[in-house]
Amino acid sequence: EVQLLESGGDLVQAGGSLGVSCAASGFNFNGYAMNWVRQAPGKGLEWVSGISATGGQTYYADSVKGRFTISRDNSKNRLSLHMNSLRAEDTAIYYCVRDKRMTTITPFEYWGQGTLVTVSS
Amino acid sequence: QSALTQPRSVSKSPGQSVTISCTGTSSDVGGYDYVSWYQQHPGKAPRLMIYDVNKRPSGVPDRFSGSKSGNTASLSISGLQAEDEADYYCCSYAGRSVVFGGGTKLTVL
Repeated sequence: EVQLLESGGDLVQAGGSLGVSCAASGFNFNGYAMNWVRQAPGKGLEWVSGISATGGQTYYADSVKGRFTISRDNSKNRLSLHMNSLRAEDTAIYYCVRDKRMTTITPFEYWGQGTLVTVSS
Repeated sequence: QSALTQPRSVSKSPGQSVTISCTGTSSDVGGYDYVSWYQQHPGKAPRLMIYDVNKRPSGVPDRFSGSKSGNTASLSISGLQAEDEADYYCCSYAGRSVVFGGGTKLTVL
């Protein structure tokens, strides 16, 4: 059974930094692209960042480019997102999402339950 | 990376059919056959319902179908059931990025 377990969500002040992680199990982690998708309270879904199966390709939404960094450790089946210069509008549930394929960053086949990041201004 | 355009809400009765539209541009929906649709119930994580425009993952009822014409994709649900009441989001690959629609709240009453 595919499982994605996020951790690291917290309350942080605007301008601060935070890292969130995702522990993956139940599948061959290094065979799939991975992503972070977020959802602000009461709002819709927003893709944040993606990374290919090998980690060689990374992708970012314009809203986070230059502030967020996605990475993966295939030896530990772990996906991470490091967030700098956080803003109030980054407040959201951050979902760890497994792609259906190795290299593309869509479609999003499996989702974790999410971790809440709250940025106070 | 502008959001795709979906109707904000739609209401139907059980047993009826519904089609939800998703309009983008030639840089996303119209440029790639990588449109997907997600169902989200309150307090739950989204669920993949349709991918690559019209493919259904295993476990998704065949009442759900997808299509695309030009820059507009559509999700159709036939024989609506109470459990279909949820938010539905379209999503498209956009060349090194991904864009979602704003979401459509489907009410089955």
